[in-house]
Amino acid sequence: KAGVTQTPRYLIKTRGQQVTLSCSPISGHRSVSWYQQTPGQGLQFLFEYFSETQRNKGNFPGRFSGRQFSNSRSEMNVSTLELGDSALYLCASSPGGDLSQPQHFGDGTRLSIL
Amino acid sequence: GQNIDQPTEMTATEGAIVQINCTYQTSGFNGLFWYQQHAGEAPTFLSYNVLDGLEEKGRFSSFLSRSKGYSYLLLKELQMKDSASYLCAVRDSGAAGNKLTFGGGTRVLVKP
Repeated sequence: KAGVTQTPRYLIKTRGQQVTLSCSPISGHRSVSWYQQTPGQGLQFLFEYFSETQRNKGNFPGRFSGRQFSNSRSEMNVSTLELGDSALYLCASSPGGDLSQPQHFGDGTRLSIL
Repeated sequence: GQNIDQPTEMTATEGAIVQINCTYQTSGFNGLFWYQQHAGEAPTFLSYNVLDGLEEKGRFSSFLSRSKGYSYLLLKELQMKDSASYLCAVRDSGAAGNKLTFGGGTRVLVKP
């Protein structure tokens, strides 16, 4: 079974630009969560999508948004990029219905803002 | 809100046992997860506790006490490949799905 796939693996952008990251979950998984990982703040929850609806949201500004498609693939968008947005963005999928099932993480997209 | 504390770093010898503690303060609790993350790699799932007690999985065990807001991950017969960060994460009962709050992670260094 293929794992969680994130594209691209690396991105370099400049301040003020916007970026879209993509995540393909494990086949059959309907829940996709996004996290930001930085050395200073650790892993922080951005949002979760389940069956094309945002089910949970973290404490990030509105510049961070996401969506989920009918095939469970998800995208995350960050607008008006700031230097502090430089981070590893991780996507995790799980079946979604049975919450005892763990989330499985992709390898992440490393975003650098110049 | 949630607050999760775990030690920043631990060092142990190959073949030994290491216990990584995690304490949490949450407005609600609906499960605790442990993940392992090697440098430059994705976190991988190790264990899940939602009821009090010990869960054993090979060389790894995890314990939970909900009344104390406390969990630990026990790594036995340490191997060099166990050098990694170990992340404790709590799921909020107030959230409908998978909203996890992670601790800062404990970096474990295994020495020969």
